[in-house]
Amino acid sequence: GDSVTQMEGPVTLSEEAFLTINCTYTATGYPSLFWYVQYPGEGLQLLLKATKADDKGSNKGFEATYRKETTSFHLEKGSVQVSDSAVYFCALSKGPGRGSTLGRLYFGRGTQLTVWP
Amino acid sequence: GAVVSQHPSRVICKSGTSVKIECRSLDFQATTMFWYRQFPKQSLMLMATSNEGSKATYEQGVEKDKFLINHASLTLSTLTVTSAHPEDSSFYICSAKGLQRYQETQYFGPGTRLLVL
Repeated sequence: GDSVTQMEGPVTLSEEAFLTINCTYTATGYPSLFWYVQYPGEGLQLLLKATKADDKGSNKGFEATYRKETTSFHLEKGSVQVSDSAVYFCALSKGPGRGSTLGRLYFGRGTQLTVWP
Repeated sequence: GAVVSQHPSRVICKSGTSVKIECRSLDFQATTMFWYRQFPKQSLMLMATSNEGSKATYEQGVEKDKFLINHASLTLSTLTVTSAHPEDSSFYICSAKGLQRYQETQYFGPGTRLLVL
């Protein structure tokens, strides 16, 4: 079945360090891929998305590239800030339309990121 | 931006009692609401999808008589955990889909932590 595997945390970094959170997926067809972020006490927020192979999603300095050959969608940021401390979820969706955030989502387990000043 | 609220944010109850969790979309009309469940260090798992005015669609393995979902209006959906037992202790998250500024989108609530003693 469709699933997402995400690197386990917690991840602890110093400010301005480089961040990578690995995410791989298993799915039939052509899923859309997402990264969500959850700040303490808040709901999940869409961080970025990619709808087809080789697409790069980017937002707030974060980037992830849809790699169909390796079934991966790793999240990266060149220089993290204390305000980036949160839980990050990788997810995929196959409906109702490609690229939609509106269908059923399959989530990874989440990775807790803590950034120290 | 749109906000989805959940109430209560956390609840502790005795085994055998029923607990109701509310999910509200605060500034848009939610035609569809999703209910997820998350165990510690696990993925969010979709429990059910509810459309306003119709019966919820439950995922395989989710007991519909155990987890009652009502979506009586375009801004409110409720999840009632009936005769709760310790194994029902979990983090319950809702998401709401609807139109905001003529564009369909989806937002998550902050979650409700349930502890059954």
